[in-house]
Amino acid sequence: EDKVVQSPLSLVVHEGDTVTLNCSYEVTNFRSLLWYKQEKKAPTFLFMLTSSGIEKKSGRLSSILDKKELFSILNITATQTGDSAIYLCAVMNYGGSQGNLIFGKGTKLSVKP
Amino acid sequence: EAGVAQSPRYKIIEKRQSVAFWCNPISGHATLYWYQQILGQGPKLLIQFQNNGVVDDSQLPKDRFSAERLKGVDSTLKIQPAKLEDSAVYLCASSPAGQGLSYEQYFGPGTRLTVT
Repeated sequence: EDKVVQSPLSLVVHEGDTVTLNCSYEVTNFRSLLWYKQEKKAPTFLFMLTSSGIEKKSGRLSSILDKKELFSILNITATQTGDSAIYLCAVMNYGGSQGNLIFGKGTKLSVKP
Repeated sequence: EAGVAQSPRYKIIEKRQSVAFWCNPISGHATLYWYQQILGQGPKLLIQFQNNGVVDDSQLPKDRFSAERLKGVDSTLKIQPAKLEDSAVYLCASSPAGQGLSYEQYFGPGTRLTVT
């Protein structure tokens, strides 16, 4: 059965800290791995990773994929209170015509001032 | 660019009642998804449409859930009759078409359903 496992499930840090969120997966017909940030309801897209070893970066956030070891990490440097959210990792397979997303349970990040 | 629209935002019903949710995807997006997100879990795909055709409904509880996208744009998801375990946020997402390419999915604000 396809599965995506995120760790830790929750994390409390102080502003300015650097955090690393982990995502491991066992998915047949892997297509890509996506990270989303969920603050209220709608997950908002952060990154899509398809190739191993190529870091994607956006401001203080960065992410990398290891297709050999089947995991990805999401790094957030110099955290701010606005980074408090649930971070979802999802793997897209070749199901359907556009691929299906299989989500992990998420990591709840709380950034204290 | 307008995002994915959903309504209602909240709904409270009693078990065994019926409920319907509406979704309007981003203009031009051919693929539409419905997800169920139970508290503390990641979203779980219920059904995927490509234009007005169903391409994956393997995880849709068809004895009580139904969905349609008649004109290939808006979609409705219905639950009849509702059970307590249906309490969740129902998310709609859309993505552009493109065989063989990967596109991110854009999510709507969701509908929070509470079944009492």
